[in-house]
Amino acid sequence: SQTIHQWPATLVQPVGSPLSLECTVEGTSNPNLYWYRQAAGRGLQLLFYSVGIGQISSEVPQNLSASRPQDRQFILSSKKLLLSDSGFYLCAWSVVQGSGYTFGSGTRLTVV
Amino acid sequence: GQQLNQSPQSMFIQEGEDVSMNCTSSSIFNTWLWYKQDPGEGPVLLIALYKAGELTSNGRLTAQFGITRKDSFLNISASIPSDVGIYFCAGRTGNQFYFGTGTSLTVIP
Repeated sequence: SQTIHQWPATLVQPVGSPLSLECTVEGTSNPNLYWYRQAAGRGLQLLFYSVGIGQISSEVPQNLSASRPQDRQFILSSKKLLLSDSGFYLCAWSVVQGSGYTFGSGTRLTVV
Repeated sequence: GQQLNQSPQSMFIQEGEDVSMNCTSSSIFNTWLWYKQDPGEGPVLLIALYKAGELTSNGRLTAQFGITRKDSFLNISASIPSDVGIYFCAGRTGNQFYFGTGTSLTVIP
């Protein structure tokens, strides 16, 4: 069966520090991968999605970047965090574009 | 992006009551999904709808794909405390899903 892993679960980082959140999917090949941010417990904002290795589409210009170094690995990064980067970050995958998403358990990021 | 209006924003109900929430858009969607998010967790898919007019149940949950393809409804019958959470709708157009802003449900024992 397919599973999605996301870590860490909680992260507190100072302003200006770098960020790296990792997401991996098991039990499937060539998944579509997504990064969402959820602010204040509501509203899912799509940040990035990837349909294959090295293929990244950005939905919102921001302080963040994403990379897909391996088929089932999706990384969300920042060189210098801002206070406004705080939020709940969710990774998701789907079999094909347009099919339903399965979400990871999320990372709560607090920038202080 | 597409705008999905989800209502109500929040609900406080007594245990045992039925719940209704809906999602509307000015755009036509090809698929509707309903998710539930427990606090501190990722959303979990509850029901998927693929055809206009489709009515699908999952236990005490029933969802419908609106005939106009611009809306969807979720009903929960005989609510229980574990129904607490945020419910999200998501509509698909092309290869992209767009999420509603969520309905926060509180069930009072």
